[in-house]
Amino acid sequence: DAMVIQNPRYQVTQFGKPVTLSCSQTLNHNVMYWYQQKSSQAPKLLFHYYDKDFNNEADTPDNFQSRRPNTSFCFLDIRSPGLGDAAMYLCATSRDIHQTYEQYFGPGTRLTVT
Amino acid sequence: DAKTTQPPSMDCAEGRAANLPCNHSTISGNEYVYWYRQIHSQGPQYIIHGLKNNETNEMASLIITEDRKSSTLILPHATLRDTAVYYCIVRVSNYGGSQGNLIFGKGTKLSVKP
Repeated sequence: DAMVIQNPRYQVTQFGKPVTLSCSQTLNHNVMYWYQQKSSQAPKLLFHYYDKDFNNEADTPDNFQSRRPNTSFCFLDIRSPGLGDAAMYLCATSRDIHQTYEQYFGPGTRLTVT
Repeated sequence: DAKTTQPPSMDCAEGRAANLPCNHSTISGNEYVYWYRQIHSQGPQYIIHGLKNNETNEMASLIITEDRKSSTLILPHATLRDTAVYYCIVRVSNYGGSQGNLIFGKGTKLSVKP
């Protein structure tokens, strides 16, 4: 089945140690998103790619970066994780820039910062 | 995007219809109503969306009032697997910069009980 895959499902990193989260999709969708969801809160968009065009949300900290080397893969890099960055990180896709109403989400990666 | 108001929690008996309300009194004429849900430890899942006409698909029905200031998501025969947080989101459908992004509110936690 076509899907959005996130690896790993659980990630533990140390305070200040860079960490990369991965997302891949077999849907061949043009748009990929990264959301942050803290405990008992709603998902919050960090940034998204339309094809190779990167779109950052205004309030996304500089500590968060993203890469999309090809259509299928997208990475979230946290350069210096703080304790406040512990959260579930969700990757999502949508077919096209003009069809963004339906987003397909992966299962998420739960990040713990020690 | 217009803001939405949802009850924080609701209970429903298994096999009965679940009716989840959403208020969006400041909705603009070109804004759609979307519903997503998030089952525990999973990513959000698209359910349905509409502009002003009632909509139905294999998952649910969406009833939008004539003045568009509120809507109701109906799960006709709720099962235990429908236990989730349900998010009502209002936004412009077509991508137009940040207008295309999903902004999740707090949602309604629906508990389906045997």
